[in-house]
Amino acid sequence: TQLLEQSPQFLSIQEGENLTVYCNSSSVFSSLQWYRQEPGEGPVLLVTVVTGGEVKKLKRLTFQFGDARKDSSLHITAAQPGDTGLYLCAGEGGTSYGKLTFGQGTILTVHP
Amino acid sequence: DVKVTQSSRYLVKRTGEKVFLECVQDMDHENMFWYRQDPGLGLRLIYFSYDVKMKEKGDIPEGYSVSREKKERFSLILESASTNQTSMYLCASSLWLAAYNEQFFGPGTRLTVL
Repeated sequence: TQLLEQSPQFLSIQEGENLTVYCNSSSVFSSLQWYRQEPGEGPVLLVTVVTGGEVKKLKRLTFQFGDARKDSSLHITAAQPGDTGLYLCAGEGGTSYGKLTFGQGTILTVHP
Repeated sequence: DVKVTQSSRYLVKRTGEKVFLECVQDMDHENMFWYRQDPGLGLRLIYFSYDVKMKEKGDIPEGYSVSREKKERFSLILESASTNQTSMYLCASSLWLAAYNEQFFGPGTRLTVL
């Protein structure tokens, strides 16, 4: 069974601060996805990274896939209250039918 | 606008009751998934289906069964609900042959078993 360890579990910061969320595994993944979930809604895909060492930017969010495709990070610059939510990483193992392994999630609260 | 809908947002049942959770997607996706979400545990896969009448066990299938009679509909069944099945249940769908399959999620059903 593939496992993804996500940290930290909780993050409470002030508006304008930077933060990083980590996602680590001993397994290799063919791709790594990051989702964001708001209260009362299902997760929504933010980005997919597929190549070892890949860096993708989405406005103030920077996503990185480790060289060995075992880990990933999400960095948010100058966080805003609108960034508040649950962030989930999910790895696809390249096996069957697009199954994903999810990390435990990081609850981010950005205070104005 | 693509959509995954779940039959109920909130459900309260008693121990021992049979519970049906319904999920419908309008994107003609082959794959459908049922997860439960608990604080600190992320999303754990219960069952998934890659075609009509096909099903595969996920990581935590005990106490659950599923049914997929039509491509757009995937049902999760709790044969005899227990209090430890109190949770948020999320349904998702994805394309079978798409690279790096994005999963589209419904809004979830919060089930409480008393």
